[in-house]
Order: sequence, then C-alpha cells, then structure tokens
Amino acid sequence: GENVEQHPSTLSVQEGDSAVIKCTYSDSASNYFPWYKQELGKGPQLIIDIRSNVGEKKDQRIAVTLNKTAKHFSLHITETQPEDSAVYFCAASKGGSQGNLIFGKGTKLSVKP
Amino acid sequence: EPEVTQTPSHQVTQMGQEVILRCVPISNHLYFYWYRQILGQKVEFLVSFYNNEISEKSEIFDDQFSVERPDGSNFTLKIRSTKLEDSAMYFCASRSTPETQYFGPGTRLLVL
Repeated sequence: GENVEQHPSTLSVQEGDSAVIKCTYSDSASNYFPWYKQELGKGPQLIIDIRSNVGEKKDQRIAVTLNKTAKHFSLHITETQPEDSAVYFCAASKGGSQGNLIFGKGTKLSVKP
Repeated sequence: EPEVTQTPSHQVTQMGQEVILRCVPISNHLYFYWYRQILGQKVEFLVSFYNNEISEKSEIFDDQFSVERPDGSNFTLKIRSTKLEDSAMYFCASRSTPETQYFGPGTRLLVL
C-alpha cells in the first residue's frame, strides 16, 4: 500500500524566513496531494492541495511543488508569521470513489518572533 | 461556511464498553471517512463510506468497529468493546466529488 514519508519532524524558523517541508510517496497511482495544518486540539485544516497533472500551485504565501518522476512533493511557506506555528501534515490519495488519505508523520513548525 | 461537526468532543469510557461517536458531515457531501490519531502520531485512515456502504477499510478497522449512516445527516462510528489502545482522537471527514476532504474537530476518546 501507499507509504508517505515526511521531513523534517520539527522545524524552527525566525519570523519572516521561509519554511520548506518535504514528502515522498511510494505508490505511483496516487494523484492527489493535500497539505493540512493542525493546531493544538483541533482537526486538520486543508491549506493547499495539488493534483498530479500540475507541477506547482501557489496561494499567497503558500506554495506546493510536485515531482511525479521522483515521487516527492514539498510545501513552501514564505514570510513566516508566528501564527503559522502548528503541525503540518502531507498526505497522498488515489482519488476516485475511495480517496482515503495516507498521511505523513507531520512536521511541527515553530516560528519565533 | 459549512463545516463538519462531531459529538461528543470528549468521551471517557471503561475498557470493554461500547462507544458511539457521531458526526454530521457537510450536507451535500457524498463520501464520508473516519480517521484516528493517537496522541503525538500521524492521522491514520480507518474507513471510507459511500452510497450507504463501506468502500474501503484499513487493517485497524476490525470486527470491533462499525459505521452507519442512520439518517440523511448523521454518520456514526461504533466501537463494540473498547480496548486501552483505542484511546485516540477520532476525526470524521467528508467530501463531494472533488478530492478535497474537510475534517471535523474530532472526538477525544479515553479508554480506562
């Protein structure tokens, strides 16, 4: 089955710096890759997603890139702010009628003012 | 903005007891999911549900687990005889035809 690896497990940056989180997946049939932000005690909240027919997607300070050949995708956050501090999860899915998400282990991002 | 809701927010139960976790998915969504997250670990898929039947389940989802959509709005997860290792946060999610899944706030289950 699908396996998603995520690195790093923790990341500390200064406010204003960029943060990059990387994930790899194993199943070439996966075609949908969302990123979720989870704040303490809350459910995962979708922040951006990308489908396999697209190489890059950007939404304000957040961008995701996908390399299908290498089976890896990355989250880029620019101009980080203290409120970006949270745990970020990548996930992979084959989409379609099932669409269950396989998650990475998460990255705890700390943005220091 | 529509959102997934879950009740209760917290549940404490004794080992061997049955628990039912409830979810109200977003109203026009067709696909429903349960995930769990053991404290400090990643979110794990349990089961997906579509057209009133289970479409896929993980190895975690054994005979002790069941899901039901008893009416047009609720989606429930039942654990028949809880074990200590069932202690976790349980998340419900739903989606429409695009793949984007929306998660509820979760139910924290503690089995003593």
